[in-house]
Amino acid sequence: NAGVTQTPKFRVLKTGQSMTLLCAQDMNHEYMYWYRQDPGMGLRLIHYSVGEGTTAKGEVPDGYNVSRLKKQNFLLGLESAAPSQTSVYFCASSYTVESTDTQYFGPGTRLTVL
Amino acid sequence: AQSVAQPEDQVNVAEGNPLTVKCTYSVSGNPYLFWYVQYPNRGLQFLLKYITGDNLVKGSYGFEAEFNKSQTSFHLKKPSALVSDSALYFCAVRDVGAGNNRKLIWGLGTSLAVNP
Repeated sequence: NAGVTQTPKFRVLKTGQSMTLLCAQDMNHEYMYWYRQDPGMGLRLIHYSVGEGTTAKGEVPDGYNVSRLKKQNFLLGLESAAPSQTSVYFCASSYTVESTDTQYFGPGTRLTVL
Repeated sequence: AQSVAQPEDQVNVAEGNPLTVKCTYSVSGNPYLFWYVQYPNRGLQFLLKYITGDNLVKGSYGFEAEFNKSQTSFHLKKPSALVSDSALYFCAVRDVGAGNNRKLIWGLGTSLAVNP
């Protein structure tokens, strides 16, 4: 049971390049989330998904797109990277049961945009 | 609006001393409250949560948190700090806004430094 995994772990992009971050979970969770973490700003939700085939915007969605074609995978895309997207990106997943909501996090992807 | 506040950016304690990391919240209705820890260059790890029941919640690594409804607080505590507890700690509350979105509202984090 690997939990939540993210690939790649590190990436350096030039402004205008595109890339896709992959998140995979093997816990059969319905909900998945993409966050970015920046110094002094805590965690900010980019996009999330409440089930296969669904996505929704979080608080900072601009410049990002997501897809959830399979229940276990949640992809985050940057179509045209900007230096402001330099950050550490975390994926998380959670159960749907009412009394839980514990989110389980991946190890993160450190992205630098030059 | 719902919110979570961690009033201290950094907390310093000596090893062996008790530690407290503060969290206050503002939500409508009954809160679901969480504490997470982030060690350097790692993802966040779940420590404990309060959903209902006893106000004192016990979690991983000897941590506990006390829910105080009148003070709208959920402070994280440990009786005897270890150097290995040095990390970034996040408080979060479930977003009970419209829709079944299961989102969490996060505090900005508190950096805990335990000195030997």
